[in-house]
Amino acid sequence: ETGVTQSPTHLIKTRGQQVTLRCSSQSGHNTVSWYQQALGQGPQFIFQYYREEENGRGNFPPRFSGLQFPNYSSELNVNALELDDSALYLCASSFRGESQETQYFGPGTRLLVL
Amino acid sequence: LAKTTQPISMDSYEGQEVNITCSHNNIATNDYITWYQQFPSQGPRFIIQGYKTKVTNEVASLFIPADRKSSTLSLPRVSLSDTAVYYCLVYLDTGRRALTFGSGTRLQVQP
Repeated sequence: ETGVTQSPTHLIKTRGQQVTLRCSSQSGHNTVSWYQQALGQGPQFIFQYYREEENGRGNFPPRFSGLQFPNYSSELNVNALELDDSALYLCASSFRGESQETQYFGPGTRLLVL
Repeated sequence: LAKTTQPISMDSYEGQEVNITCSHNNIATNDYITWYQQFPSQGPRFIIQGYKTKVTNEVASLFIPADRKSSTLSLPRVSLSDTAVYYCLVYLDTGRRALTFGSGTRLQVQP
């Protein structure tokens, strides 16, 4: 167990709706990264949060947004859901401040968009 | 970008040693090499990380030659529960520290 938790575990939405996914980072970690993993593919980087600010973003549209809170937990928000947003959403936490930063993943949230 | 290349799939039998090699010709000076294991519908699990030479932990060993253009993950005496996808990654040295996952190596362990 990594100590990274995510909620909910599963979620079903319809096209056009909005969704919020949550992540609690491992104790002592100050950085949270979010990834999207489509079936049969490797995880794709969405964005990263450090000190409550977005600190890097992958090739995802603005309808993917996020927050990091003072306790380092984080939310991923997706607006105007599309069918292709169906995927496993992974949160990873790490400690920024070391040269050797290791990201530890949570169990993921499975999102199905109908 | 430091892109990695690894075999799409490998087969092995219980009790055998498995070596998965990853090439990363464009690895940057400050990049570390990290391996993750992933079971279906679960988050990737950190296995091992290294910068050069050899790193060993209770799960695996990681061999990195002097030029660092490749690395080999060694799993001793695999069991059925080692059936998973294994990802080799190098950190993007852009300050973003975003992990770039390829397609990984699907390891199937047979009894």
